[in-house]
Amino acid sequence: RKEVEQDPGPFNVPEGATVAFNCTYSNSASQSFFWYRQDCRKEPKLLMSVYSSGNEDGRFTAQLNRASQYISLLIRDSKLSDSATYLCVVNINGNKLVFGAGTILRVKS
Amino acid sequence: ETGVTQSPTHLIKTRGQQVTLRCSSQSGHNTVSWYQQALGQGPQFIFQYYREEENGRGNFPPRFSGLQFPNYSSELNVNALELDDSALYLCASRSQGEYTEAFFGQGTRLTVV
Repeated sequence: RKEVEQDPGPFNVPEGATVAFNCTYSNSASQSFFWYRQDCRKEPKLLMSVYSSGNEDGRFTAQLNRASQYISLLIRDSKLSDSATYLCVVNINGNKLVFGAGTILRVKS
Repeated sequence: ETGVTQSPTHLIKTRGQQVTLRCSSQSGHNTVSWYQQALGQGPQFIFQYYREEENGRGNFPPRFSGLQFPNYSSELNVNALELDDSALYLCASRSQGEYTEAFFGQGTRLTVV
């Protein structure tokens, strides 16, 4: 089993839609989690950190379910500019960040 | 801008050659990690340096090696290049700790021919 798994998509959604991505992780001792956004041929950029049960930042909500070992990212009112690859990241043993393969989002007008 | 800079941005090498990639970490960050990202894949962890010592390594062969300097900048060295080493190489810097976020440089795109 992979350490971090994501649905690769692509998710094709119209502007204004709500879309959710899930990510599962295998190491139950993991304590910190992140969502990064990566545009084509660019470096990943931090979108949100996910601590305790989750947090919200504007249109973006991240949730953590430790019992089921998954993290989710919800994007409300999708914009064209949200089109990107979303990477789920888990901190393993406090010193190694493990990335999922990413979920592709395409928002269309 | 993250304050993490990598050089060079693009590089073409021949199979069997050696390459050195460089990374300057963000001010105040003492931990540097290197990742390899092949097309269509997520970044794969190569190794991490904290205060000039390697303190974590992924599933990469010994021909991938690194250094961290007293100013926390870092180098990634790859010997005996193979065609499959063609990828985007990303450097990330952060402060040591469980909950600290990593900030990435723009990457070095390596092509091995």
